[in-house]
Amino acid sequence: DVKVTQSSRYLVKRTGEKVFLECVQDMDHENMFWYRQDPGLGLRLIYFSYDVKMKEKGDIPEGYSVSREKKERFSLILESASTNQTSMYLCASSLDRGLLRAFFGQGTRLTVV
Amino acid sequence: KQEVTQIPAALSVPEGENLVLNCSFTDSAIYNLQWFRQDPGKGLTSLLLIQSSQREQTSGRLNASLDKSSGRSTLYIAASQPGDSATYLCAIDRGSTLGRLYFGRGTQLTVWP
Repeated sequence: DVKVTQSSRYLVKRTGEKVFLECVQDMDHENMFWYRQDPGLGLRLIYFSYDVKMKEKGDIPEGYSVSREKKERFSLILESASTNQTSMYLCASSLDRGLLRAFFGQGTRLTVV
Repeated sequence: KQEVTQIPAALSVPEGENLVLNCSFTDSAIYNLQWFRQDPGKGLTSLLLIQSSQREQTSGRLNASLDKSSGRSTLYIAASQPGDSATYLCAIDRGSTLGRLYFGRGTQLTVWP
């Protein structure tokens, strides 16, 4: 089974901190994605990556950056955390660009205080 | 931009009922459609994937259909059980070089004993 693992289930950070959310997949997938999920807004795409060292902006990239130095790992970085970035963050991976089947991590609940 | 709508937003039924969840989308040029399940505070689990050349997929008590011409998909759950209680999301991808999923906001299902 494909496994997508997010490094933390719950995080509490202070405003202004630099925050790293890590995601690792074990099936040699090309594509990896970061979403955030908020009540009433659904899932929104932050960034995605088709290959190592490659990244594309999603719908809401402001305040975030990403890093993909290795194929299996995709990191989401909050450069200076703000309270409006309190959310559930979900990482996903898929085999090809057509997203034939997407697999999600268990999510990271981030609270910025 | 692809718009994905799910109706109803919430549904509460007694155990044993057969039920239908609806998903509609604005652009019929889709590649794949997936139905996901999300338990509270957790990530997403893929339930069924319908490729553009297919009309339906079945897995156990779940059946998903796809009608691209009308821009609709339905998820049918037979003989519902309390363990089916979760949020169900549909997602579209267009199979383009962008390779991203467009999500509906989900239907929150409660099955009471």
